[in-house]
Amino acid sequence: GAVVSQHPSWVICKSGTSVKIECRSLDFQATTMFWYRQFPKQSLMLMATSNEGSKATYEQGVEKDKFLINHASLTLSTLTVTSAHPEDSSFYICSATGPLIPYGYTFGSGTRLTVV
Amino acid sequence: RKEVEQDPGPFNVPEGATVAFNCTYSNSASQSFFWYRQDCRKEPKLLMSVYSSGNEDGRFTAQLNRASQYISLLIRDSKLSDSATYLCVVNKRSGNTPLVFGKGTRLSVIA
Repeated sequence: GAVVSQHPSWVICKSGTSVKIECRSLDFQATTMFWYRQFPKQSLMLMATSNEGSKATYEQGVEKDKFLINHASLTLSTLTVTSAHPEDSSFYICSATGPLIPYGYTFGSGTRLTVV
Repeated sequence: RKEVEQDPGPFNVPEGATVAFNCTYSNSASQSFFWYRQDCRKEPKLLMSVYSSGNEDGRFTAQLNRASQYISLLIRDSKLSDSATYLCVVNKRSGNTPLVFGKGTRLSVIA
């Protein structure tokens, strides 16, 4: 139980285009979704926190107009990287939490974004 | 100062060796502590929670010292399959708050 499906697992896009990453909770209600970014040999850095039905809260230094987060339902949250640039190339991963989840957190499998 | 700091590594050890990972955290209000394992290009996976009384799961032993804000992980009789990056993770409080990750320590177990 407590599975989060994240898609796509990898994507290559051209500079200037937008990319949408989806995280779906398959068997539980994800009341909160955390979005992380991980650069090579670095730790997972929190980008934003979103609660279902509310606007996301972004961490300092993360542009909310560039990284659009939608969490309109208890089973789906999306992160859209708008006008992607090569420096946005990274590993993006979601983590969901909600009531009844043991240990509180379930991770998606991650999306490796390469902007060329 | 980073919220969670770990040994920079990498650690290269032979099979059967015992290896220890150290971690310190800066926020004394932190309430939950974990060790996660991350394989290359994969999501982190929970290895074990860490309790003040210390806890053991097979070859893995975790310790927490709240006074010194220090967390450790000991792996005994290391296997090739233990090769991964080990992440020290802290949560400020229980509930809907994000996990804070250390940079991780890379372990390579060599035959």
